Amino acid sequence: DIQMTQSPSSLSASVGDRVTITCRASQIIDNYLNWYQHKPGTTPKLLIYAASSLQSGVPSRFSGSGSGTDFTLTISNLQPEDFASYYCQQSYNTRLTFGGGTKVEI
Amino acid sequence: QVQLVQSGTEVKKPGASVKVSCKASGYTFTSHYMHWVRQAPGQGLEWMGIINPSGDSTNYAQKFQGRVIMTRDTSTSTVYMELSGLRSDDTAVYYCARDRDGSSVYAEYCMDVWGQGTTVTVSS
Repeated sequence: DIQMTQSPSSLSASVGDRVTITCRASQIIDNYLNWYQHKPGTTPKLLIYAASSLQSGVPSRFSGSGSGTDFTLTISNLQPEDFASYYCQQSYNTRLTFGGGTKVEI
Repeated sequence: QVQLVQSGTEVKKPGASVKVSCKASGYTFTSHYMHWVRQAPGQGLEWMGIINPSGDSTNYAQKFQGRVIMTRDTSTSTVYMELSGLRSDDTAVYYCARDRDGSSVYAEYCMDVWGQGTTVTVSS
């Protein structure tokens, strides 16, 4: 299976900050990379699909980039509602795998 | 609106089986594949498998092969996930999640709508 490694596993930030989360795949996955946000007690939310496409209804302060093996999720102007865990997920093959998650804390 | 409503909390003993349901509404049930994903306490998200509600084909993660069965009932727009041989490390919140692709013949392996989650606790 393709291993997805996220870094950092957690970070502290303040409202208004620019935050970058990285995700590395164990093999080339082209742009088959998706990002989700998950808050405790709620359901995961798709933010970015195909590495850089913003899901409908997601604020434009979220952006994704990368191709091949290295990807980033950037949150510009961090808002109070953005404190959550973020997961990358590869959809390159039918053995779907998630990264370990990054917790963004105040 | 598009909605996935799952069945309620389950408490099971080791070795037992659990069957979780996920009822879809607000879209054409057979147009989108459905995934199952779980999250154990303090852990990340773990993909379990996918079912095509149109043709009933399935693809299970290797870890769950032989222990999981995913089925669907098109008359009620409901998918089911049954996990057998439960162990304490199967304690988790189980989610159904709709595949983003709506062609009914292809899955994007990207999940755009999620159920509310079903807590399954395995304890003697």
